[in-house]
Amino acid sequence: GQQVMQIPQYQHVQEGEDFTTYCNSSTTLSNIQWYKQRPGGHPVFLIQLVKSGEVKKQKRLTFQFGEAKKNSSLHITATQTTDVGTYFCAGLPGSSYKLIFGSGTRLLVRP
Amino acid sequence: DAGVIQSPRHEVTEMGQEVTLRCKPISGHDYLFWYRQTMMRGLELLIYFNNNVPIDDSGMPEDRFSAKMPNASFSTLKIQPSEPRDSAVYFCASSLGWNRGYGYTFGSGTRLTVV
Repeated sequence: GQQVMQIPQYQHVQEGEDFTTYCNSSTTLSNIQWYKQRPGGHPVFLIQLVKSGEVKKQKRLTFQFGEAKKNSSLHITATQTTDVGTYFCAGLPGSSYKLIFGSGTRLLVRP
Repeated sequence: DAGVIQSPRHEVTEMGQEVTLRCKPISGHDYLFWYRQTMMRGLELLIYFNNNVPIDDSGMPEDRFSAKMPNASFSTLKIQPSEPRDSAVYFCASSLGWNRGYGYTFGSGTRLTVV
């Protein structure tokens, strides 16, 4: 079935270092969304990418959607302790609303 | 806006009992989703509704699970009978639709423990 793979599973960085998580789908996606979940919390929507090759920025966060619309990445510049949490990519195949979540990357930041 | 409201926040029940989880979506959102989160399986979509109509329930584990949306402001997920392997965090989410640029807004979840 439809799969969205995400790596790495964990990333432990020193505050101020950069962080990147990668997402790959087994099939072409109509769009990809990114969510952040704090420990004990619920997923919170960050952004949606729709166009092939699209790049969007939110302050220190940069999101990319691959040319083939099968992969995506999230890059955080100069991490802060407030960035701690699990980052999920989630893909939508075709025109469906069946959002398929990746396994997530858990980010830990040493102060 | 109060966001997506779920109740109860925590539920502990004995195996074999019926469990009902409740969700109030954001007013005006015409899509409602039920997800389950476990360490082993991550976030899994169980079922979703559009304008109160179930569209895709292929993620519902088995006949013990059922979901209803009697009106635009209320949905339930019922497990009968419950089993220990149903222990998980159950999230409800609602959306105006990705094709209008909106993501999914999740509720705070119900942590279910079946003993």
